[in-house]
Amino acid sequence: EAQVTQNPRYLITVTGKKLTVTCSQNMNHEYMSWYRQDPGLGLRQIYYSMNVEVTDKGDVPEGYKVSRKEKRNFPLILESPSPNQTSLYFCASSLFSGTGGFNSPLHFGNGTRLTVT
Amino acid sequence: AQSVTQLDSQVPVFEEAPVELRCNYSSSVSVYLFWYVQYPNQGLQLLLKYLSGSTLVESINGFEAEFNKSQTSFHLRKPSVHISDTAEYFCAVSDLDQTGANNLFFGTGTRLTVIP
Repeated sequence: EAQVTQNPRYLITVTGKKLTVTCSQNMNHEYMSWYRQDPGLGLRQIYYSMNVEVTDKGDVPEGYKVSRKEKRNFPLILESPSPNQTSLYFCASSLFSGTGGFNSPLHFGNGTRLTVT
Repeated sequence: AQSVTQLDSQVPVFEEAPVELRCNYSSSVSVYLFWYVQYPNQGLQLLLKYLSGSTLVESINGFEAEFNKSQTSFHLRKPSVHISDTAEYFCAVSDLDQTGANNLFFGTGTRLTVIP
């Protein structure tokens, strides 16, 4: 089954304790992206990747890191989490090639709800 | 940059009544248009899309949306809603005049609640 898998689904941590949220897709997509969803703000893009070793900042990259060492995996790293990073996070992938308009649908994971105290 | 406006953050509607969820975007350049749906405790999934051709597009579960270039809108409609349509709906726009891979913009979402 084609899917994007995120882990964990729920995570509670304390300020400053490094954490990683994993994301894996089995559709051989080149494009992957991380979003955070907050009430009233909708989806905001954190980072995206067009291919292995190619990553770029989205709209709200501060406090986050990503890596793309393999095509299928795109982990999100919070080196020193803070309470303002409490949010619902989504990983997504797409066949989007990077040229022209974004004409391929995004496939989303089921989300990771992060609470930083 | 493109901006996408979903004016209604919440829309309550009775079961079997019609509904319209509004989406407007900021400019009349060439665009691709999408509606995504997010059911409780799930990720977003594509509901329907407009890339070219007929301005009226339909989903398999009875929703439809019409691309109106002059009004820069892509409103989502359903003539008769079911309880199972309760979800959050996101409009998204890809601006073909903006180069690069960061040219997909989401609205802030509309929470549709269907009341029995």
